Amino acid sequence: SAVISQKPSRDICQRGTSLTIQCQVDSQVTMMFWYRQQPGQSLTLIATANQGSEATYESGFVIDKFPISRPNLTFSTLTVSNMSPEDSSIYLCSVVGGEGAHKDTQYFGPGTRLTVL
Amino acid sequence: KNQVEQSPQSLIILEGKNCTLQCNYTVSPFSNLRWYKQDTGRGPVSLTIMTFSENTKSNGRYTATLDADTKQSSLHITASQLSDSASYICVVTLSSGGSYIPTFGRGTSLIVHP
Repeated sequence: SAVISQKPSRDICQRGTSLTIQCQVDSQVTMMFWYRQQPGQSLTLIATANQGSEATYESGFVIDKFPISRPNLTFSTLTVSNMSPEDSSIYLCSVVGGEGAHKDTQYFGPGTRLTVL
Repeated sequence: KNQVEQSPQSLIILEGKNCTLQCNYTVSPFSNLRWYKQDTGRGPVSLTIMTFSENTKSNGRYTATLDADTKQSSLHITASQLSDSASYICVVTLSSGGSYIPTFGRGTSLIVHP
């Protein structure tokens, strides 16, 4: 299985500022994703983080608001820019990996709980 | 549009009782169906994963079933414990042309009371 860590685990930020969330995986993975989970809602895919190229964003999410870096196969960052209270959410890093019976299992990080005042 | 609907939205049971959570989906064709447990403030953790050809999969007190004909899945929890209090998320994955496209349900919030 893949072990994923995220930093910070939570933060409280002021409107208009930016926060960068880090995601570290204990093994090399091809597919890495960033999700947002608003209170009481299901997970919404923000983008697929591509190693060595620009991230692929889902409808409703843009690079200027959520710039993503992926310098290698074990690390990625998501920045939430020019934050507003509507950005208050849990942000989750996720990878697809595993072997044998766990092949194609999707693993999630512990999440970053963001509150924007 | 591919959808995953879960029911009930929330459920309260007494410790030691059994319960069953439902998942209906329209994703087709799908690669696999997974159930996750998400504790409050944590990321989802995989409980079971089933491919199209599998009917049932167990993981301890958790048993998932799949009926690909009716596009329904259920998660049965036996002899519930207080630690089972969490959100349970059904995820159906469409695998197409090398792309990995999961569709998430909204989850069922389970509360187990002593």
